Amino acid sequence: SQTIHQWPATLVQPVGSPLSLECTVEGTSNPNLYWYRQAAGRGLQLLFYSVGIGQISSEVPQNLSASRPQDRQFILSSKKLLLSDSGFYLCAWSVWLAGRTDTQYFGPGTRLTVL
Amino acid sequence: DAKTTQPTSMDCAEGRAANLPCNHSTISGNEYVYWYRQIHSQGPQYIIHGLKNNETNEMASLIITEDRKSSTLILPHATLRDTAVYYCIVRDDYTGTASKLTFGTGTRLQVTL
Repeated sequence: SQTIHQWPATLVQPVGSPLSLECTVEGTSNPNLYWYRQAAGRGLQLLFYSVGIGQISSEVPQNLSASRPQDRQFILSSKKLLLSDSGFYLCAWSVWLAGRTDTQYFGPGTRLTVL
Repeated sequence: DAKTTQPTSMDCAEGRAANLPCNHSTISGNEYVYWYRQIHSQGPQYIIHGLKNNETNEMASLIITEDRKSSTLILPHATLRDTAVYYCIVRDDYTGTASKLTFGTGTRLQVTL
């Protein structure tokens, strides 16, 4: 069966510090990978998605970037955190099968607090 | 913007069926209806999805009206563990290899004793 891991689970960082969040998927090959953010009391916002190694699509221009160095690894980064980067960051995966829809499955999330 | 409308909150007694409505009057013919739920401080959990026909799995049933403008998620025997925010989502963009989900504010379901 497939599993998705995110770490760290929680993170407290000062303003201006760098950020690296990691997401890995097990049990599947060539998945689509996604990064979402959920601000306090808000819905989920899609930040980035990737359909393959080195292929990143950005949905919202901002202080963050994403990379996919390996097939089942997705990394969310920032060079300098802002207060507004605080939130709950969720990674998701899906596999598209020809003729069928793909379903996204979410990881446990990383709660980031920028002080 | 999300293409669905859901009540902000609902209550349900434990053991009873929870019926969560969703309006998606602008849905197009090839768009799926997805349901997820999010228990506090956890990642969203996939529940069920459908296109035209009613669907059932081990978690819930999805009833889609014939005109596809609305749907209802049914939890047949709600338990306290079903207390969560439930999101109805119409998949509004599909690149052919990756889908994008737009989450609204959902329905906060409170299951009580």
